[in-house]
Amino acid sequence: GAVVSQHPSRVICKSGTSVKIECRSLDFQATTMFWYRQFPKQSLMLMATSNEGSKATYEQGVEKDKFLINHASLTLSTLTVTSAHPEDSSFYICSASRVSWDIQYFGAGTRLSVL
Amino acid sequence: SQKIEQNSEALNIQEGKTATLTCNYTNYSPAYLQWYRQDPGRGPVFLLLIRENEKEKRKERLKVTFDTTLKQSLFHITASQPADSATYLCALDGGSQGNLIFGKGTKLSVKP
Repeated sequence: GAVVSQHPSRVICKSGTSVKIECRSLDFQATTMFWYRQFPKQSLMLMATSNEGSKATYEQGVEKDKFLINHASLTLSTLTVTSAHPEDSSFYICSASRVSWDIQYFGAGTRLSVL
Repeated sequence: SQKIEQNSEALNIQEGKTATLTCNYTNYSPAYLQWYRQDPGRGPVFLLLIRENEKEKRKERLKVTFDTTLKQSLFHITASQPADSATYLCALDGGSQGNLIFGKGTKLSVKP
């Protein structure tokens, strides 16, 4: 149990386009979902925390107008990278937990490459 | 702000030996600490959670200790196997909404 599906696994796009990444909890309801970014040989950096039905809480330095997060249901959260630029190229990973302060179950990640 | 360090960037050991990974933290007293395994190009997989009032936790060949005085956690893999080769991440509770603060990880290589 506790499977999190993240899609797509890889995306290559042109600079200026928007990219949407989906994160689904397949066999449990996720009250809280998290979005991370990871650069090579670096730790996972939390971008934002989202609770179902409410606005996401963004970490300091993360532009909320650039990284749009929607957590419309207990099984789905989306991250949209708007007007992507090469510096946004990274590995984006979502996680979900049944309730806050619980174990986080991670998706497989999305490799974003912006040309 | 909280700081978390995993002392070794890489650890190479022989199959069958015990691997010991270290996680130190400063400027914080976490309510719990977690260990994850991450394979290349994949998301982390949860292994163990240990709370501040627990000294030790075991799961099959894995053992985690938590010393709140030393502000340190040790992660042990006994009878290591080549399949245990991966990056192991230590994470502390971030104090807000259950978020986590991750260390950079230790890349473990188990040689046959």
